[in-house]
Amino acid sequence: AQSVTQLGSHVSVSEGALVLLRCNYSSSVPPYLFWYVQYPNQGLQLLLKYTTGATLVKGINGFEAEFKKSETSFHLTKPSAHMSDAAEYFCAVRLNFGNEKLTFGTGTRLTIIP
Amino acid sequence: EAGVTQFPSHSVIEKGQTVTLRCDPISGHDNLYWYRRVMGKEIKFLLHFVKESKQDESGMPNNRFLAERTGGTYSTLKVQPAELEDSGVYFCASSQGRTSGSWTYEQYFGPGTRLTVT
Repeated sequence: AQSVTQLGSHVSVSEGALVLLRCNYSSSVPPYLFWYVQYPNQGLQLLLKYTTGATLVKGINGFEAEFKKSETSFHLTKPSAHMSDAAEYFCAVRLNFGNEKLTFGTGTRLTIIP
Repeated sequence: EAGVTQFPSHSVIEKGQTVTLRCDPISGHDNLYWYRRVMGKEIKFLLHFVKESKQDESGMPNNRFLAERTGGTYSTLKVQPAELEDSGVYFCASSQGRTSGSWTYEQYFGPGTRLTVT
């Protein structure tokens, strides 16, 4: 079975500062990993994904994440925060075969301080 | 292209009543998923349809929940009778699945239905 841990249910950063949202996973087989974002009153939107290949993946809106197998981590980063980044972010994992269901972390609410 | 739509956006019902949630996936997507987020907790998988067949319903909480996808298009999730612990946001997602020999992995989510049971 897979599981996801997101450290920090709430993170605040100043506008222009580095954004770092942490995600650690547990999986018995190599996983596929995802970051989703939910803006107020909207559905979840895929930011980026890792399936195979390059471990540093780039997503939309300047976000990127690095798959580190040895650390079982998939942290999300953005060099410079923008006010529009304020949202809730979810890390998710699924198996790389068979069952397609996503297992989510509890989410991290990102606040941007002007 | 229209995204995943869900209806209603909000529903407030009393304990013991019945509620039906509807999801319209992206046109052409064979895979349809239901998830639920109870307040303050993680989003949890409920079930997965491939066309009209239930591929995995391991996340369904109990037999008060019934999901259908007649004709392989839209899906409904009925809760009967509703209990207080059923309150939460119900998300629907769809994905294309295997196409042209390649897998696509993205699940596209709808805005959710916020269900409140009083």
